[in-house]
Amino acid sequence: GQQVMQIPQYQHVQEGEDFTTYCNSSTTLSNIQWYKQRPGGHPVFLIQLVKSGEVKKQKRLTFQFGEAKKNSSLHITATQTTDVGTYFCAGRVGGNKLVFGAGTILRVKS
Amino acid sequence: SAVISQKPSRDICQRGTSLTIQCQVDSQVTMMFWYRQQPGQSLTLIATANQGSEATYESGFVIDKFPISRPNLTFSTLTVSNMSPEDSSIYLCSVLSRGRSVYGYTFGSGTRLTVV
Repeated sequence: GQQVMQIPQYQHVQEGEDFTTYCNSSTTLSNIQWYKQRPGGHPVFLIQLVKSGEVKKQKRLTFQFGEAKKNSSLHITATQTTDVGTYFCAGRVGGNKLVFGAGTILRVKS
Repeated sequence: SAVISQKPSRDICQRGTSLTIQCQVDSQVTMMFWYRQQPGQSLTLIATANQGSEATYESGFVIDKFPISRPNLTFSTLTVSNMSPEDSSIYLCSVLSRGRSVYGYTFGSGTRLTVV
């Protein structure tokens, strides 16, 4: 079935360093969404990318959707301790069904 | 975007018993989604609940184990039946809701279930 692979599984960075997580789908996605889950919390919607090659920014976060609409990335510039959490990508494969990646756990050392 | 009230927030249950989780949404929504998230893992869709019809279950999940009710457009319940320790997990409901200009999924705060 549809799979969305996400790497790395875990990343521990020094505060101020950059962070990137990558998602790759086995099939073309109609769109991709990104979520953040703080420790002990629930996933919170960050953004949706729809167009091939789309790039969107939210302050220090940059989201990209690949040309083939099969891969995506989230880049955080100059991480802060408030960025700690698990970042999930989720591909919309048809209708309203989302397939979630495994998530990348981000820890930030201050 | 929608606001979801989910309860209970956590429970410890004996094996063989059942637990019903409730989600109340502050607006009418066509579809509600139920997910399971095992500790440190990703989210797995259990089923999609539509008002007035039977829920649609994903592979690996069956109605006898996870019966769902959807009596109206703002409410749904998921029951975890005949529980075993393997059912220990976080269960989340979700709806598609409109933010400023795009539809994203809003999640309830989750139910942390421990089966002993």
